[in-house]
Order: sequence, then C-alpha cells, then structure tokens
Amino acid sequence: GQSLEQPSEVTAVEGAIVQINCTYQTSGFYGLSWYQQHDGGAPTFLSYNALDGLEETGRFSSFLSRSDSYGYLLLQELQMKDSASYFCAVRASWDSSYKLIFGSGTRLLVRP
Amino acid sequence: DTGVSQDPRHKITKRGQNVTFRCDPISEHNRLYWYRQTLGQGPEFLTYFQNEAQLEKSRLLSDRFSAERPKGSFSTLEIQRTEQGDSAMYLCASSLVGVRSTEAFFGQGTRLTVV
Repeated sequence: GQSLEQPSEVTAVEGAIVQINCTYQTSGFYGLSWYQQHDGGAPTFLSYNALDGLEETGRFSSFLSRSDSYGYLLLQELQMKDSASYFCAVRASWDSSYKLIFGSGTRLLVRP
Repeated sequence: DTGVSQDPRHKITKRGQNVTFRCDPISEHNRLYWYRQTLGQGPEFLTYFQNEAQLEKSRLLSDRFSAERPKGSFSTLEIQRTEQGDSAMYLCASSLVGVRSTEAFFGQGTRLTVV
C-alpha cells in the first residue's frame, strides 16, 4: 500500500519562506505531486516531481529525493493568500489508473 | 468556464434517502475520477472512468454507491439509503492520459450532509 506523512500545521510570517515536508511509503513509486486547497475550494495542482531534484514554478518550488522517499514544497515571499491546505500525493508505478494517494494535508497559516 | 464543474455544491439529506451528484469534466479529458474528502483529511479515491468504462472501484465504494459516465461525457455518483457516515465532500477530477497525465483537475466538490 501507500502512506504519506506531512505536518498537520505550519505558521509563517508574510514575506518569509516556508518548507512543507512529505515522506512517503509506496510499493512502486511513480511521482510526487503537490496540491493547494483553500477552505471550501477545489484542490489545485501546484507541481510534480518524478526525478530527484528541484522543480521551480514562480514562488513555489518542489524537491524530491527518491532514495530517501522524501519531498518538500518550498513557498517563497509568502502572501496572505497562500494561507491554505497543502497536500502531497503519490502515484504508484504499477497502477495504470494514475489515481492519486493523498497525505492528510498541511494547513499553512500566513500571519501579517 | 472550461474547468471541472460539479452540481449541486451542497446537499442536505435525511438518512435513508437517495442522492445523486453530477460532474462535468473538462471536455477533452478522457479520464474522470471520484474522490471523497472528510474534514482534515486528504481526498480518498473512490472510482475512475476511462471514457465510458468504469475501470476501478475502491473498497470504500460500498454497494450503496454507483457511478456512471454515459457516452464518456458527464458522470453521476448516486448514493442509495444514505447514512450519516456518508457525510463528506465528494470531489470529481478529470485528466488527459498522456505526457501530462500527472496533472488532475478538480471540481469544487459537492458537500453532502446526512442528518
């Protein structure tokens, strides 16, 4: 099976940098995705890593280490609108459905 | 709006009643997924379609649940004889299998409350 662990809550100050970690266990790893979800909203795709290293998209970066079964999402120049829940999710390499297995989410609170 | 749309956004029903939700995926997407999300948790996979074929169902999907995707377009999820434990957000997602099949687009969800 698959399981993911991420911190339940993180608090940071506007303008700062915050890192949200995710460790996973999976029988066959295909890739790690990150989604953002505001209260009452839809999960929206942020980034995806299949290979080791850093992927950068504007203020958001995501890192993966396959050997450590570990990844993180880095948010820079935090803004109040970044207050949301952030989910890491994996796909299994053997699974042709491409369904996502999600962690429980990290609630990010950005303070002024 | 060309995103994934779901209807209704909210549904309150009495225990034992049947409910049906609708999902309209992004038109060119051939895969459609249903997930369930409870408070403080991540979405959990329920079932998925490739075009009109339902290819996998989670063990979470009891026989009170049924999903269809006629003609490979919109999809419906029906829950019969609802129970309080069915209260959750039901999310629909669609994707296009291919190079960018890593990205799934989610709808706003239908929040079901069973009283």
